[in-house]
Amino acid sequence: AQTVTQSQPEMSVQEAETVTLSCTYDTSENNYYLFWYKQPPSRQMILVIRQEAYKQQNATENRFSVNFQKAAKSFSLKISDSQLGDTAMYFCAFTTSGTYKYIFGTGTRLKVLA
Amino acid sequence: ETGVTQSPTHLIKTRGQQVTLRCSSQSGHNTVSWYQQALGQGPQFIFQYYREEENGRGNFPPRFSGLQFPNYSSELNVNALELDDSALYLCASSFGPTGTGDNEQFFGPGTRLTVL
Repeated sequence: AQTVTQSQPEMSVQEAETVTLSCTYDTSENNYYLFWYKQPPSRQMILVIRQEAYKQQNATENRFSVNFQKAAKSFSLKISDSQLGDTAMYFCAFTTSGTYKYIFGTGTRLKVLA
Repeated sequence: ETGVTQSPTHLIKTRGQQVTLRCSSQSGHNTVSWYQQALGQGPQFIFQYYREEENGRGNFPPRFSGLQFPNYSSELNVNALELDDSALYLCASSFGPTGTGDNEQFFGPGTRLTVL
């Protein structure tokens, strides 16, 4: 079965500091895509960053970067220079090539403290 | 450019009733996916519609059904509501099926369904 595990239900970080959210997944497929989504308290989910499994280079988007360890099936999200607007639920997700099903983890609630 | 919209925002139904939720896809998008997000959980994939055809389905019973219209808006219908159907229902649209991972999904704000 394909699964996504986020082992940190809640985290907090001081404004301007760095925080890392963990995600592990399980799949027997070789071609897949990994995502981090942010769901602020207003509920609309937005894509933060994506990673293609065939790419060795870790994806980065401004203050957001990932540490993709394919052999370990690990996909963590690092947020640098945390801002109050980063307060949200963060979901790790993946989909395999040729399917349409996205599998999400249970989420990590991140609170950025002033 | 209009984003993904969903209606209604909130809905209260009783067990056994039927409900229809609606989603308008983002301009230019031809694919809609529906997700159920129970409290404290991540979204669970219900199904996806591409050009008015269902092209993928998650582990949901047949009483969850959908429709996509020529303008690519979509409906989610749930019959014989059960208490466990209480959840936030999210709609996401994309330009093309999401099977390659290249087509980014844009999510709507969701419909909060409460079944009493």
